[in-house]
Amino acid sequence: GEDVEQSLFLSVREGDSSVINCTYTDSSSTYLYWYKQEPGAGLQLLTYIFSNMDMKQDQRLTVLLNKKDKHLSLRIADTQTGDSAIYFCAEKDDKIIFGKGTRLHILP
Amino acid sequence: ETGVTQSPTHLIKTRGQQVTLRCSSQSGHNTVSWYQQALGQGPQFIFQYYREEENGRGNFPPRFSGLQFPNYSSELNVNALELDDSALYLCASSLGLSTGSNTEAFFGQGTRLTVV
Repeated sequence: GEDVEQSLFLSVREGDSSVINCTYTDSSSTYLYWYKQEPGAGLQLLTYIFSNMDMKQDQRLTVLLNKKDKHLSLRIADTQTGDSAIYFCAEKDDKIIFGKGTRLHILP
Repeated sequence: ETGVTQSPTHLIKTRGQQVTLRCSSQSGHNTVSWYQQALGQGPQFIFQYYREEENGRGNFPPRFSGLQFPNYSSELNVNALELDDSALYLCASSLGLSTGSNTEAFFGQGTRLTVV
């Protein structure tokens, strides 16, 4: 069945790069997403990548996709305190399937 | 701000009761999806409505039902509430069907339902 797995926690020092990893199972997924959720808030779409791409860069965000291994990563350069949130990896074919989220904690 | 509003923001209900949650879509969007996010989990797809018809359903029992109105606002109804129904309920609106296309879904802030 469809499943998205990601590590639950990540701690990073302010100014360093954060890398959040995700694996998915549905090879027919057409789009893969990264969403950000801050406390008490809904989901904010950060970036997405089409399944025939292997990299996408958007300012401080870099998404890498290894379709053979069904592995997706999100790199946040120069991590700031405002990046502290839960990050959800998601895949989409006919519906969006979310992972359980990675809580990013920023160390001073 | 995504332009998607949900009401109420918080709600407490008793086991066995019924609840209706509401979602106002972003202007011009004809598709709405509902998700349940339990504490510490990712959102789980409940169902999707396109032009007032159900168009896809996740693994939720029939006591979870929905409606989409001509103005594309939507309701999620849950009958015979159980303690495990306590969660954040999110709606997302988009333009067009999601199958095979990148129609960005804009999420509301959610309704936090507590069943006691």
